[in-house]
Amino acid sequence: EVQLVESGGGLVKPGGSLRLSCAASGFTFSSYSMNWVRQAPGKGLEWVSSISSSSSYIYYADSVKGRFTISRDNAKNSLYLQMNSLRAEDTAVYYCARDSMELRGYYYYYYMDVWGKGTTVTVSS
Amino acid sequence: SSELTQDPAVSVALGQTVRITCQGDSLRSYYASWYQQKPGQAPVLVIYGKNNRPSGIPDRFSGSSSGNTASLTITGAQAEDEADYYCNSRDSSGNHLGVFGGGTKLTVL
Repeated sequence: EVQLVESGGGLVKPGGSLRLSCAASGFTFSSYSMNWVRQAPGKGLEWVSSISSSSSYIYYADSVKGRFTISRDNAKNSLYLQMNSLRAEDTAVYYCARDSMELRGYYYYYYMDVWGKGTTVTVSS
Repeated sequence: SSELTQDPAVSVALGQTVRITCQGDSLRSYYASWYQQKPGQAPVLVIYGKNNRPSGIPDRFSGSSSGNTASLTITGAQAEDEADYYCNSRDSSGNHLGVFGGGTKLTVL
Protein backbone atom coordinates (compact mmCIF):
# COMPACT_ATOMS: atom_id res chain seq x y z
CA GLU A 1 0.00 0.00 0.00
CA VAL A 2 1.29 3.43 -0.95
CA GLN A 3 1.58 5.42 2.25
CA LEU A 4 3.05 8.56 3.79
CA VAL A 5 3.23 8.95 7.55
CA GLU A 6 4.23 12.24 9.16
CA SER A 7 5.66 12.60 12.63
CA GLY A 8 7.47 15.11 14.80
CA GLY A 9 4.75 17.65 15.43
CA GLY A 10 4.11 19.13 18.84
CA LEU A 11 3.97 22.24 20.98
CA VAL A 12 6.91 24.63 20.70
CA LYS A 13 7.51 28.15 21.95
CA PRO A 14 7.92 31.08 19.55
CA GLY A 15 11.48 31.21 18.30
CA GLY A 16 11.91 27.49 18.83
CA SER A 17 12.68 24.69 16.42
CA LEU A 18 11.06 21.46 15.34
CA ARG A 19 11.92 18.75 12.83
CA LEU A 20 9.15 16.99 10.98
CA SER A 21 9.59 13.62 9.31
CA CYS A 22 7.61 11.82 6.65
CA ALA A 23 8.08 8.09 6.16
CA ALA A 24 7.21 6.76 2.72
CA SER A 25 6.32 3.19 1.82
CA GLY A 26 4.77 1.23 -1.02
CA PHE A 27 6.46 3.11 -3.86
CA THR A 28 9.93 3.98 -5.13
CA PHE A 29 10.51 7.05 -2.99
CA SER A 30 13.71 8.03 -4.78
CA SER A 31 11.83 8.52 -8.06
CA TYR A 32 9.53 11.27 -6.85
CA SER A 33 9.70 14.89 -5.86
CA MET A 34 8.01 15.59 -2.55
CA ASN A 35 6.13 18.48 -0.97
CA TRP A 36 5.23 19.86 2.41
CA VAL A 37 1.82 21.52 2.58
CA ARG A 38 0.30 23.08 5.70
CA GLN A 39 -3.13 24.13 6.89
CA ALA A 40 -3.62 26.61 9.70
CA PRO A 41 -6.67 26.05 11.92
CA GLY A 42 -9.81 26.90 9.99
CA LYS A 43 -7.82 28.04 6.96
CA GLY A 44 -6.99 26.74 3.51
CA LEU A 45 -4.07 24.75 2.19
CA GLU A 46 -0.71 26.46 1.82
CA TRP A 47 2.17 25.00 -0.17
CA VAL A 48 5.33 25.22 1.96
CA SER A 49 8.23 23.57 0.17
CA SER A 50 9.23 20.99 -2.42
CA ILE A 51 12.33 18.93 -3.14
CA SER A 52 13.24 17.02 -6.28
CA SER A 53 13.95 13.31 -6.28
CA SER A 54 17.72 13.72 -5.98
CA SER A 55 17.55 16.88 -3.85
CA SER A 56 18.96 18.92 -6.73
CA TYR A 57 16.05 21.35 -6.76
CA ILE A 58 14.53 22.84 -3.64
CA TYR A 59 11.85 25.50 -3.43
CA TYR A 60 10.22 27.39 -0.56
CA ALA A 61 7.22 29.62 -0.07
CA ASP A 62 8.21 33.17 0.79
CA SER A 63 6.54 32.77 4.18
CA VAL A 64 9.09 30.16 5.31
CA LYS A 65 12.18 30.95 3.24
CA GLY A 66 15.26 31.33 5.43
CA ARG A 67 13.60 29.61 8.39
CA PHE A 68 12.61 26.16 7.09
CA THR A 69 14.83 23.57 5.42
CA ILE A 70 13.50 20.64 3.44
CA SER A 71 15.63 17.54 2.97
CA ARG A 72 15.31 13.87 2.19
CA ASP A 73 17.13 10.58 2.70
CA ASN A 74 16.31 8.24 -0.15
CA ALA A 75 18.08 5.36 1.57
CA LYS A 76 15.64 5.70 4.46
CA ASN A 77 12.61 6.58 2.30
CA SER A 78 12.16 9.69 4.39
CA LEU A 79 11.38 13.36 3.91
CA TYR A 80 12.16 16.01 6.50
CA LEU A 81 11.28 19.60 7.33
CA GLN A 82 13.54 21.44 9.75
CA MET A 83 11.64 24.42 11.12
CA ASN A 84 13.55 27.14 12.93
CA SER A 85 12.57 30.55 14.32
CA LEU A 86 9.00 29.37 14.61
CA ARG A 87 6.20 31.90 14.82
CA ALA A 88 2.60 31.70 15.98
CA GLU A 89 1.51 31.87 12.35
CA ASP A 90 3.36 28.61 11.63
CA THR A 91 0.75 26.80 13.75
CA ALA A 92 -0.85 24.31 11.38
CA VAL A 93 -1.30 20.73 10.35
CA TYR A 94 1.66 19.82 8.15
CA TYR A 95 1.14 17.31 5.37
CA CYS A 96 3.71 15.64 3.18
CA ALA A 97 2.52 14.91 -0.33
CA ARG A 98 4.01 13.04 -3.27
CA ASP A 99 4.59 15.13 -6.36
CA SER A 100 3.73 13.44 -9.63
CA MET A 101 4.25 14.60 -13.17
CA GLU A 102 3.06 13.34 -16.54
CA LEU A 103 3.92 14.54 -20.01
CA ARG A 104 0.82 14.52 -22.21
CA GLY A 105 1.51 15.83 -25.68
CA TYR A 106 3.06 19.24 -25.21
CA TYR A 107 1.88 19.70 -21.64
CA TYR A 108 3.18 18.63 -18.27
CA TYR A 109 0.60 17.63 -15.68
CA TYR A 110 1.69 18.27 -12.09
CA TYR A 111 -0.27 16.96 -9.15
CA MET A 112 0.02 15.67 -5.60
CA ASP A 113 -1.45 12.21 -5.65
CA VAL A 114 -0.51 10.75 -2.27
CA TRP A 115 -0.91 12.57 1.04
CA GLY A 116 -0.14 11.70 4.60
CA LYS A 117 -2.62 12.26 7.42
CA GLY A 118 -0.63 15.19 8.75
CA THR A 119 1.13 16.15 11.95
CA THR A 120 0.12 19.12 14.09
CA VAL A 121 2.52 21.91 14.97
CA THR A 122 1.48 24.43 17.61
CA VAL A 123 3.62 27.48 18.26
CA SER A 124 2.60 29.11 21.50
CA SER A 125 4.13 30.41 24.69
CA SER B 1 4.14 35.12 -6.79
CA SER B 2 0.97 33.81 -8.36
CA GLU B 3 -2.49 33.65 -6.88
CA LEU B 4 -5.44 31.38 -7.52
CA THR B 5 -8.91 32.70 -6.74
CA GLN B 6 -11.89 30.55 -5.80
CA ASP B 7 -15.39 31.40 -4.63
CA PRO B 8 -15.51 30.78 -0.87
CA ALA B 9 -18.77 28.85 -0.92
CA VAL B 10 -21.07 27.15 -3.38
CA SER B 11 -24.23 25.13 -2.85
CA VAL B 12 -26.00 22.56 -4.99
CA ALA B 13 -29.20 20.58 -4.67
CA LEU B 14 -28.81 16.84 -4.34
CA GLY B 15 -28.48 15.25 -7.76
CA GLN B 16 -27.87 18.52 -9.58
CA THR B 17 -24.73 19.77 -11.32
CA VAL B 18 -22.30 22.24 -9.81
CA ARG B 19 -19.23 23.96 -11.17
CA ILE B 20 -16.40 25.21 -8.97
CA THR B 21 -14.01 27.65 -10.59
CA CYS B 22 -10.42 28.72 -10.05
CA GLN B 23 -8.85 31.77 -11.67
CA GLY B 24 -5.25 32.79 -11.98
CA ASP B 25 -2.55 33.78 -14.41
CA SER B 26 -0.62 30.58 -13.79
CA LEU B 27 -3.51 28.63 -15.30
CA ARG B 28 -2.56 29.97 -18.71
CA SER B 29 0.64 27.94 -18.42
CA TYR B 30 -0.28 25.01 -16.21
CA TYR B 31 -3.31 22.79 -15.77
CA ALA B 32 -4.85 22.87 -12.33
CA SER B 33 -5.18 19.91 -10.05
CA TRP B 34 -8.17 19.66 -7.71
CA TYR B 35 -8.36 18.30 -4.18
CA GLN B 36 -11.31 17.36 -2.01
CA GLN B 37 -10.96 17.71 1.74
CA LYS B 38 -13.52 16.60 4.29
CA PRO B 39 -13.39 17.78 7.91
CA GLY B 40 -10.53 16.27 9.85
CA GLN B 41 -9.14 14.45 6.83
CA ALA B 42 -6.22 14.91 4.49
CA PRO B 43 -6.86 16.26 1.00
CA VAL B 44 -7.60 13.79 -1.79
CA LEU B 45 -6.73 14.35 -5.43
CA VAL B 46 -9.88 14.26 -7.57
CA ILE B 47 -8.86 15.79 -10.93
CA TYR B 48 -5.55 16.58 -12.59
CA GLY B 49 -4.38 17.70 -15.98
CA LYS B 50 -6.79 18.40 -18.81
CA ASN B 51 -9.47 16.12 -17.28
CA ASN B 52 -7.99 13.10 -15.55
CA ARG B 53 -9.39 11.23 -12.57
CA PRO B 54 -7.26 9.09 -10.30
CA SER B 55 -8.38 5.55 -9.72
CA GLY B 56 -11.33 5.40 -7.36
CA ILE B 57 -12.70 8.86 -8.10
CA PRO B 58 -16.28 8.71 -9.40
CA ASP B 59 -16.86 9.76 -12.99
CA ARG B 60 -19.29 12.46 -11.85
CA PHE B 61 -16.15 14.54 -11.22
CA SER B 62 -14.70 16.25 -14.29
CA GLY B 63 -12.37 19.11 -15.07
CA SER B 64 -11.98 21.72 -17.77
CA SER B 65 -9.89 24.76 -18.49
CA SER B 66 -10.11 27.90 -20.58
CA GLY B 67 -7.71 30.80 -20.55
CA ASN B 68 -6.97 31.71 -16.94
CA THR B 69 -9.86 29.70 -15.49
CA ALA B 70 -10.02 26.08 -14.43
CA SER B 71 -13.26 24.41 -13.47
CA LEU B 72 -14.25 21.35 -11.47
CA THR B 73 -17.71 20.04 -12.32
CA ILE B 74 -19.70 17.56 -10.29
CA THR B 75 -22.55 16.11 -12.34
CA GLY B 76 -25.24 14.67 -10.09
CA ALA B 77 -23.84 15.82 -6.75
CA GLN B 78 -24.16 13.37 -3.88
CA ALA B 79 -24.36 14.06 -0.16
CA GLU B 80 -20.84 12.65 0.27
CA ASP B 81 -19.48 15.31 -2.08
CA GLU B 82 -20.01 17.97 0.56
CA ALA B 83 -16.47 19.10 1.31
CA ASP B 84 -13.88 21.80 0.71
CA TYR B 85 -12.33 21.85 -2.74
CA TYR B 86 -8.95 23.36 -3.56
CA CYS B 87 -7.27 24.04 -6.87
CA ASN B 88 -3.49 23.96 -7.22
CA SER B 89 -0.92 24.72 -9.86
CA ARG B 90 2.67 25.78 -10.29
CA ASP B 91 3.51 29.44 -9.96
CA SER B 92 3.69 31.10 -13.36
CA SER B 93 6.79 33.10 -12.53
CA GLY B 94 9.01 30.19 -13.54
CA ASN B 95 10.21 29.69 -9.98
CA HIS B 96 8.47 26.32 -9.66
CA LEU B 97 6.66 27.39 -6.54
CA GLY B 98 3.38 25.76 -5.67
CA VAL B 99 0.18 27.69 -5.16
CA PHE B 100 -3.29 26.75 -3.87
CA GLY B 101 -6.55 28.53 -4.29
CA GLY B 102 -8.30 29.69 -1.14
CA GLY B 103 -10.76 26.81 -1.29
CA THR B 104 -14.49 26.47 -1.98
CA LYS B 105 -16.84 24.98 0.57
CA LEU B 106 -19.44 22.92 -1.25
CA THR B 107 -22.76 22.39 0.48
CA VAL B 108 -25.12 19.74 -0.90
CA LEU B 109 -28.71 20.69 -0.06
